[in-house]
Amino acid sequence: KQEVTQIPAALSVPEGENLVLNCSFTDSAIYNLQWFRQDPGKGLTSLLLIQSSQREQTSGRLNASLDKSSGRSTLYIAASQPGDSATYLCAVRPNDYKLSFGAGTTVTVRA
Amino acid sequence: SAVISQKPSRDICQRGTSLTIQCQVDSQVTMMFWYRQQPGQSLTLIATANQGSEATYESGFVIDKFPISRPNLTFSTLTVSNMSPEDSSIYLCSAQGNTEAFFGQGTRLTVV
Repeated sequence: KQEVTQIPAALSVPEGENLVLNCSFTDSAIYNLQWFRQDPGKGLTSLLLIQSSQREQTSGRLNASLDKSSGRSTLYIAASQPGDSATYLCAVRPNDYKLSFGAGTTVTVRA
Repeated sequence: SAVISQKPSRDICQRGTSLTIQCQVDSQVTMMFWYRQQPGQSLTLIATANQGSEATYESGFVIDKFPISRPNLTFSTLTVSNMSPEDSSIYLCSAQGNTEAFFGQGTRLTVV
């Protein structure tokens, strides 16, 4: 069974600092990995998707890397802003369609 | 990409009653799923909504408690039956494209 772990569970930084969020998974036989953002009490917004054959994806201030062999992905958020405050979830998709989610990292960016 | 509309966005219900949540996708998708997110927890898959046949439930979830319909490739419903306070959660609908998963805005359910 795929186990997904996110470290740290919570993170508080001053505005402008770069954020580094980690995701690890136990089974490297994945189809892709997706990073989501969740605001309190809301649904999930897809941020980045990395296919198993890719090493990284970038969108604006966000960059996600994938090291499939070691079972790790990292989400970098550059120059953080208070609007980046949310919970960030990592989800791994195996060769079927069922996603396995980490518990998330709750980020607070202080103005 | 796919846009998912889910309703209601929130509800407060009496124990013992049932609530049906609707999920509409703006394009035809092969796979639709229902998740539950209990307070402070991550997402747990309830079931895969199969078009034209019975849903496939994950361990710990049963059809009598969470009946699911999927009459076509763009619409699904989840009913939470005979509710108790332990059912208070966010319920999320998801659609799976060829690569990417999309989620609705969730239904925040409180059972009193």
